[in-house]
Amino acid sequence: EADIYQTPRYLVIGTGKKITLECSQTMGHDKMYWYQQDPGMELHLIHYSYGVNSTEKGDLSSESTVSRIRTEHFPLTLESARPSHTSQYLCASRTPGTVVGDTQYFGPGTRLTVL
Amino acid sequence: DQQVKQNSPSLSVQEGRISILNCDYTNSMFDYFLWYKKYPAEGPTFLISISSIKDKNEDGRFTVFLNKSAKHLSLHIVPSQPGDSAVYFCAASPRSYNTDKLIFGTGTRLQVFP
Repeated sequence: EADIYQTPRYLVIGTGKKITLECSQTMGHDKMYWYQQDPGMELHLIHYSYGVNSTEKGDLSSESTVSRIRTEHFPLTLESARPSHTSQYLCASRTPGTVVGDTQYFGPGTRLTVL
Repeated sequence: DQQVKQNSPSLSVQEGRISILNCDYTNSMFDYFLWYKKYPAEGPTFLISISSIKDKNEDGRFTVFLNKSAKHLSLHIVPSQPGDSAVYFCAASPRSYNTDKLIFGTGTRLQVFP
C-alpha cells in the first residue's frame, strides 16, 4: 500500500499570499510529481523530480516552484497566489525501475481556492 | 490539443451488468496505457495497465482491451458493483522513448446503481 501524504487538504486564501503545499512519501521513491487538475479536466503535469536536488518543469506551464532537499519531501510553493491558481493539486511518487506495470501512487490532493 | 480523449463524461450502469469505458489517443508514440480510479476527495488509484505488445490484460473483474490500429482502448468491468462508482481516468505514456510522463484523459464518471 502506498503512503503518500498531502497537506493541507483544503486551503482558501486571499490574493497575494505566499503558500506552500506539502507532499511527503514514506516509500523511498526517487521519482515524484505534481499535477494540477481543474474540475472536469485532465491532470496536467506541472513539476517532477527524479531525486534529491533534481527538479524539472512539466508539460503545463505553472508559476509555482518546487524543491527536493530530501527524498521523502517535495513541497510546491506559490509566491503570490492569484484566483487563476484555484485548482486541485495532486502529488504522486513512482515505483523505481522500468518494468512494465510500475505505476504512480497519488496523494489525496490539495484543493486550493484563491479569493 | 488533447492527446488522450475520453469522450463520455459520464456512464450509468445497473449493478451486475457490464460497464465499458472508452478512451482514444492520437499519439502513435504511446506504448503503455493505464486506468486510474478516483473517488471524491481522494487521489487517483491505479487500476490496471497494458503494454502495446498486448491487446488484452485482465485482472479480476477488470479487463483492458487495446486496439492499436484504431488507437482505442477500453476498460470492461464485469460484473459492475456499486463500489465501482467513481471517476475513471485513462492515461498513456511513450515508455520506449525513455520517459515516464503520463498523459491523462478528462475522466468518465461511472455510476453503478442497484
